[in-house]
Amino acid sequence: GNSVTQMEGPVTLSEEAFLTINCTYTATGYPSLFWYVQYPGEGLQLLLKATKADDKGSNKGFEATYRKETTSFHLEKGSVQVSDSAVYFCALSDSSGTASKLTFGTGTRLQVTL
Amino acid sequence: GAGVSQTPSNKVTEKGKYVELRCDPISGHTALYWYRQSLGQGPEFLIYFQGTGAADDSGLPNDRFFAVRPEGSVSTLKIQRTERGDSAVYLCASSPGAGSKTQYFGPGTRLLVL
Repeated sequence: GNSVTQMEGPVTLSEEAFLTINCTYTATGYPSLFWYVQYPGEGLQLLLKATKADDKGSNKGFEATYRKETTSFHLEKGSVQVSDSAVYFCALSDSSGTASKLTFGTGTRLQVTL
Repeated sequence: GAGVSQTPSNKVTEKGKYVELRCDPISGHTALYWYRQSLGQGPEFLIYFQGTGAADDSGLPNDRFFAVRPEGSVSTLKIQRTERGDSAVYLCASSPGAGSKTQYFGPGTRLLVL
């Protein structure tokens, strides 16, 4: 079946540091890939997505590139801010059939300090 | 516009009781999903509706769990004979239609079974 593996947290960075959160996946076919973010006390929000190989999703300074050859979708940001502190979830959506249920990783907590 | 809403935001019940959790999707969204998120984990798929019918209920853990969407809009997740292990955050998401890969999440209902 489908699965998503994320690097374990927490990740603690100083403001303006470079961020990478690793995500790899196992899936049949050609899934769509997502990063969702959960800020403290809030619900899951879509951060970015990519629907086919070599696509790059980007939003709010975050980027991730769909790498089919390495089955990866690593999240990066060049300069993090305190306001980026949150839990980040990598997810994939099955490409088969009409159902698009998401399979999530376990989440990576990011804490950014001044 | 209004996002996905869920009620109640918190529910405390006793072991063996029956609970209902409600989800109001984004207006016009035909696809609706339920997920369950345990502490420190990513959300896990429970059931998917396309319109009024349950297109995929493969994630429901057992026959104590049931969900309906009688008019193709609001959905109710029903849990009979609750157990302490049912304690989790129950998330609802909606998306515009079959095959759409982007899901929009509600804030969740935190269920605590004592």
